Amino acid sequence: DAGVIQSPRHEVTEMGQEVTLRCKPISGHNSLFWYRQTMMRGLELLIYFNNNVPIDDSGMPEDRFSAKMPNASFSTLKIQPSEPRDSAVYFCASSRINLAGWETQYFGPGTRLLVL
Amino acid sequence: TQLLEQSPQFLSIQEGENLTVYCNSSSVFSSLQWYRQEPGEGPVLLVTVVTGGEVKKLKRLTFQFGDARKDSSLHITAAQPGDTGLYLCAGAAWGAGSYQLTFGKGTKLSVIP
Repeated sequence: DAGVIQSPRHEVTEMGQEVTLRCKPISGHNSLFWYRQTMMRGLELLIYFNNNVPIDDSGMPEDRFSAKMPNASFSTLKIQPSEPRDSAVYFCASSRINLAGWETQYFGPGTRLLVL
Repeated sequence: TQLLEQSPQFLSIQEGENLTVYCNSSSVFSSLQWYRQEPGEGPVLLVTVVTGGEVKKLKRLTFQFGDARKDSSLHITAAQPGDTGLYLCAGAAWGAGSYQLTFGKGTKLSVIP
């Protein structure tokens, strides 16, 4: 099992540029989550999908952020235009309900974003 | 908004010492999870506690869920340098189709040889 795959691992861009982060969840998982981690705010849920449908995007900071999941094996998080305060580590996680009715979220390695 | 407060925020101890990390909330959670995160990597699940008062042991790590399911603790016995990392607690609540996790800000543990 390859685990959750994220790309790129590092991204440095200038303020105002568009940034696209990519995630490939674990095969067979039906839920996908995007998180952002900073020293000040910790790990925050931005949005999650269930069976490719966005369920809760209340954590998305503002309209500059958008996320899509066109199929069960791919999701993107886009920031347009990017700002320095968007600098953080962005994690993607996937999960599925187990037979006991609980689930474990498996996190990718993250994308470290720096907006200059 | 459900909030989880972790303490202490930073902890530096000598190898062989014991330590306890606390996770507190005013909200009740369906379950509480503990994760460990190493630099440059994503969090990895250590344990899930579900029942109020539940105690789970993972080698030298002991996890306890409070009776009211609002708080939890992680106790490490005879800490080793390999225990160094960021420990995160997360409260789980059922959303639409999946469990949503609310994370604490973490406890950064350094175990000095």
